[in-house]
Amino acid sequence: DIQMTQSPSFLSASVGDRVTINCKASQNINKYLDWYQQKLGEAPKLLIYNTNSLHTGIPSRFSGSGSGTDFTLTISSLQPEDVATYFCLQHNSGYTFGAGTKLELK
Amino acid sequence: EVKLLESGGGLVQPGGSMRLSCAASGFTFTDFYMYWIRQPAGKAPEWLGFIRNKANGYTTEYNPSVKGRFTISRDNTQNMLYLQMNTLRAEDTATYYCARGGHRRGFAYWGQGTLVTVSS
Repeated sequence: DIQMTQSPSFLSASVGDRVTINCKASQNINKYLDWYQQKLGEAPKLLIYNTNSLHTGIPSRFSGSGSGTDFTLTISSLQPEDVATYFCLQHNSGYTFGAGTKLELK
Repeated sequence: EVKLLESGGGLVQPGGSMRLSCAASGFTFTDFYMYWIRQPAGKAPEWLGFIRNKANGYTTEYNPSVKGRFTISRDNTQNMLYLQMNTLRAEDTATYYCARGGHRRGFAYWGQGTLVTVSS
């Protein structure tokens, strides 16, 4: 089974900050890594699929990068509405979510 | 507009069974893989399994953690997805979501979730 190690678990940042969240796979997952945003009481929302493809309607301040085993979600300029928990998901072999990063405003 | 609406959750005793339903609308149901994903409160989601589309014979795949206890099925005449859960345990307590497969382009559509609580 592929394990996903997501970091950090918790992140506090100010409006306008550049924020990065990382996921590391236990083996090569090629490009098959998605990022989801989840707000309290809601279902996860797709942000990025296949490492760096921005889902329809997602603001361009969100971007993804990486390959192989190391992947990053970047928010270029944090907005108040970005407060949420973020999960990565590998779908190269089965499906494994990362443990999540809770993002709060400083 | 794509809509997914789960139902059937609630309180069940350990060892019991429950069937969840997911009503789909706004897209050609038979064209898509359909998934079940659950999320315990405060934890990460967990993929449970999926059922393939018409072109791939409606076959199923499961997470080993639930294989043999959970069964996914679909009624393509009613655009319904089902999750039959047997021999339920306390650790099965979670919000259960159905999601539409995205042809390897992520899970763009999710239901609102239905809460299953396994407790005596």
